[in-house]
Amino acid sequence: GEDVEQSLFLSVREGDSSVINCTYTDSSSTYLYWYKQEPGAGLQLLTYIFSNMDMKQDQRLTVLLNKKDKHLSLRIADTQTGDSAIYFCAASGGSYIPTFGRGTSLIVHP
Amino acid sequence: DSGVTQTPKHLITATGQRVTLRCSPRSGDLSVYWYQQSLDQGLQFLIQYYNGEERAKGNILERFSAQQFPDLHSELNLSSLELGDSALYFCASSVEAKNTEAFFGQGTRLTVV
Repeated sequence: GEDVEQSLFLSVREGDSSVINCTYTDSSSTYLYWYKQEPGAGLQLLTYIFSNMDMKQDQRLTVLLNKKDKHLSLRIADTQTGDSAIYFCAASGGSYIPTFGRGTSLIVHP
Repeated sequence: DSGVTQTPKHLITATGQRVTLRCSPRSGDLSVYWYQQSLDQGLQFLIQYYNGEERAKGNILERFSAQQFPDLHSELNLSSLELGDSALYFCASSVEAKNTEAFFGQGTRLTVV
């Protein structure tokens, strides 16, 4: 089955860009997602990209997809302390049920 | 607020007991998904219902069962509880069976003692 890997922690300074990376194993994955989880809250869908796209931009968020390397990244421009959260990468294929990574804890310090 | 409501928020129960977790999807959403989030397993898909019918099954134990009612709310039943069942249980909903945009509830934290 699908396996999604991402690093566990990322620490950045406020105002810098953050880049969270993710790799997945199933080359037939159709949709790739980024979710955000704040303490005590559920997962919030940030953005998703279809597998025939290379890039998607939404305000401060940029998603890059390298389908050949099965690599997905999320760039957050001008990172703020309010961006501190756990970010989950997920991938889904024909069943449309996402397989989630373990999540990357983003810590933003002043 | 995602519009998905889960009750209760917290639940503490003893081993061997049975509990029921409830989920009300967003208005208009026909599909409901249940996930388990634990420290050792991460976020695991359990089961999906679409318009009252089971649509997809993931890593759901035989001691667990779920259903979706005519009013589209869903219940997840966990029985013969073990310490290892302690986790956050999330419900999510989407308009269609294809989960391109799913909205998550805040979760039920289950503690088995």
